[in-house]
Amino acid sequence: QQQVKQSPQSLIVQKGGISIINCAYENTAFDYFPWYQQFPGKGPALLIAIRPDVSEKKEGRFTISFNKSAKQFSLHIMDSQPGDSATYFCAASMGQAGTALIFGKGTTLSVSS
Amino acid sequence: DTAVSQTPKYLVTQMGNDKSIKCEQNLGHDTMYWYKQDSKKFLKIMFSYNNKELIINETVPNRFSPKSPDKAHLNLHINSLELGDSAVYFCASSPSGWPSYNEQFFGPGTRLTVL
Repeated sequence: QQQVKQSPQSLIVQKGGISIINCAYENTAFDYFPWYQQFPGKGPALLIAIRPDVSEKKEGRFTISFNKSAKQFSLHIMDSQPGDSATYFCAASMGQAGTALIFGKGTTLSVSS
Repeated sequence: DTAVSQTPKYLVTQMGNDKSIKCEQNLGHDTMYWYKQDSKKFLKIMFSYNNKELIINETVPNRFSPKSPDKAHLNLHINSLELGDSAVYFCASSPSGWPSYNEQFFGPGTRLTVL
């Protein structure tokens, strides 16, 4: 049973466009929702994260929108650049230190110039 | 300075062999993790340790044994390697205090290929 569902699996966006990746979760005990960026041959890097007490968080060109009632959250990348081409993972976790990140299956983003 | 480091980066070995992957973090974190990324890039938790104590032990074959000699190190030993063990293994660490304890920082990964 997949606890975090991510879509789309792949995404092609023109340079300067907006990239949108969506995730849905099932477990209402989750209280931390990060997005990770992974380049080929590298480890996942924490990009931005949100907790359910806020509906939106923005850091530079990256914004998380969070809908607690719908149990959904999304990543928006504004002014997408070729350097943003990577695999993006949403995740969720709960509770105390040492609890696992439950990952979505990833979205491969290609930004064409 | 690398925050979370792993050795080796690549590991190619024969079925049936025993191998170890080492992980070190210099972030001063109390908690460390092992994740497995399969060929479809799916990431899944294997183990977590907090202050050298095992917290999570997912349904991983007992051929996999983590060892934490101190808070800065978490090694993964794998016995009797099988073809299905081929994957990329990531070590991660996180602080233990609120509100940062969920923030996990990943190493560069170790690509294990079992022939």
